[in-house]
Amino acid sequence: GQQVMQIPQYQHVQEGEDFTTYCNSSTTLSNIQWYKQRPGGHPVFLIQLVKSGEVKKQKRLTFQFGEAKKNSSLHITATQTTDVGTYFCAGHATDSWGKLQFGAGTQVVVTP
Amino acid sequence: DTAVSQTPKYLVTQMGNDKSIKCEQNLGHDTMYWYKQDSKKFLKIMFSYNNKELIINETVPNRFSPKSPDKAHLNLHINSLELGDSAVYFCASSQARGSHNEQFFGPGTRLTVL
Repeated sequence: GQQVMQIPQYQHVQEGEDFTTYCNSSTTLSNIQWYKQRPGGHPVFLIQLVKSGEVKKQKRLTFQFGEAKKNSSLHITATQTTDVGTYFCAGHATDSWGKLQFGAGTQVVVTP
Repeated sequence: DTAVSQTPKYLVTQMGNDKSIKCEQNLGHDTMYWYKQDSKKFLKIMFSYNNKELIINETVPNRFSPKSPDKAHLNLHINSLELGDSAVYFCASSQARGSHNEQFFGPGTRLTVL
């Protein structure tokens, strides 16, 4: 079955530094979504990528979808303490009809 | 206004008991979901309903029984609770069942089985 893998599992970042989290699927995806879960909170939708090679930006966050639609990345520049949380990628296989397969998440800790 | 709400927020119970978690969404969405998040934060889908019809039923023990009385509500009943059922359970909804719909999550129910 479809598997979505995410690395790294943990990321300790100094405030002001950049980091990237990567997402890889064992199957081709129709789209990929990214969610953020703050400590003690619930996952909140950030963005969706649909097209092969698509790049989208949200302020300091840059999201990419691979050309083969099997991988994605989230790059955060100039990390702030508000970026603390777990970032999940989640993908729909082309025949999944709404079944979203989540990666294991990257837990981000920011030190001032 | 809470878009997706769940009750209770916390649930502490003994092994062997039966408990229910309720979920309501006021977004007018057609599709609702139950997820289980374990201690390592892994999110796994359990069930999904589209307009009261069960469309996703993952490999979940049959002690777990979802029920959707209408498209705005999706409840989860768990029989004979086990230690391994301890987790955070999230309800979510999306506009429709297609793959291009973002999901809106409820605040979660933290279940602790003693």
